[in-house]
Amino acid sequence: AQSVSQHNHHVILSEAASLELGCNYSYGGTVNLFWYVQYPGQHLQLLLKYFSGDPLVKGIKGFEAEFIKSKFSFNLRKPSVQWSDTAEYFCAVNGNAGNNRKLIWGLGTSLAVNP
Amino acid sequence: ETGVTQTPRHLVMGMTNKKSLKCEQHLGHNAMYWYKQSAKKPLELMFVYSLEERVENNSVPSRFSPECPNSSHLFLHLHTLQPEDSALYLCASSQDPVDTQYFGPGTRLTVL
Repeated sequence: AQSVSQHNHHVILSEAASLELGCNYSYGGTVNLFWYVQYPGQHLQLLLKYFSGDPLVKGIKGFEAEFIKSKFSFNLRKPSVQWSDTAEYFCAVNGNAGNNRKLIWGLGTSLAVNP
Repeated sequence: ETGVTQTPRHLVMGMTNKKSLKCEQHLGHNAMYWYKQSAKKPLELMFVYSLEERVENNSVPSRFSPECPNSSHLFLHLHTLQPEDSALYLCASSQDPVDTQYFGPGTRLTVL
């Protein structure tokens, strides 16, 4: 069955620490990969996405993610977090054809950054 | 600034009430979605409309009834809900079913 696994459910960091959030997926065929973020009291918004091309994707606010096909992974990274990065982060996957177009979501990772 | 708006933002209803959630997108997109967001569960896709036709219905109970009168508006009609239906209901839109989805702020629903 198609699924997305986010290994870290809760992460607490101090400002300036480096961040890596894990995302693994189980999915047949060509995939599109997304990271969404939900800041406190705000709507879900796209952080970055991978459809094809360079597997290292740059997103907003200094975030990046690397698609490693052999590991079925799309981990999110940021070299130095800020207090304003406190939010819920969601990994999602879909395909390009038929029923595979449905977006499959991970459980989310809650990130708290202490000032 | 989100191009997807939802009303109401908060709704409390009894199990015998009938209410409707409204979503409007101002992005010129062709696909619209209803999701249910509950604590400790992945985002659950409920319905997908593409070009105003329902293309996905994920075994959602009949007490939830969607309506898409045009490509900019999406409704979720609610009747005889259960307390376990309490959740955040999110609307989203995208240019097509594969592309990036843009979300509204959600309606926080509480069923008493």
